[in-house]
Amino acid sequence: DQQVKQNSPSLSVQEGRISILNCDYTNSMFDYFLWYKKYPAEGPTFLISISSIKDKNEDGRFTVFLNKSAKHLSLHIVPSQPGDSAVYFCAASNYGGSQGNLIFGKGTKLSVKP
Amino acid sequence: DAGITQSPRHKVTETGTPVTLRCHQTENHRYMYWYRQDPGHGLRLIHYSYGVKDTDKGEVSDGYSVSRSKTEDFLLTLESATSSQTSVYFCAISALGGTEAFFGQGTRLTVV
Repeated sequence: DQQVKQNSPSLSVQEGRISILNCDYTNSMFDYFLWYKKYPAEGPTFLISISSIKDKNEDGRFTVFLNKSAKHLSLHIVPSQPGDSAVYFCAASNYGGSQGNLIFGKGTKLSVKP
Repeated sequence: DAGITQSPRHKVTETGTPVTLRCHQTENHRYMYWYRQDPGHGLRLIHYSYGVKDTDKGEVSDGYSVSRSKTEDFLLTLESATSSQTSVYFCAISALGGTEAFFGQGTRLTVV
């Protein structure tokens, strides 16, 4: 039973436009959420995170939105650049409960076309 | 970059043989994780450690064991490798459990 779901396996966006990647979770105990980016043949790299006490966190071109009532989060990339083409993973944890494990979704492959 | 080294980076092994993958960190982080990445499955947690000799199972722990005798090293062992364990294995570390984790470069394991 998937606890973190990324229902779109792929997304294609034009350079300069906004990319919106979505993630849903089922475990109401999750209180910390993260986005990772992964290029082929490399390890995932941390992008941005958000605690459940917030509904938005911004870092440069990247913004994460959290809707706790809907158990939904999204990553916005504005403006999108060709170098953003990668697989994006959403992850969640029960940080407040001192559970150490991070649970990942299956990923969304983003392609940004010049 | 976080100081994480995975070894070996590539390995081909035969079905039924034991295999050990090593993760070494220089960050003195408390938490260490082993994940596997497979097409259509994303990153799945195998085992994780929250301190020396303290480990716990993840969602796909069957067929795997781990050991952590020192803060800096986390070993993943496949006692008897099977073809279903062909995968890319990633080690990750974090200072606080359930927060930002930093990943190694991965180990590509092929079981033939």
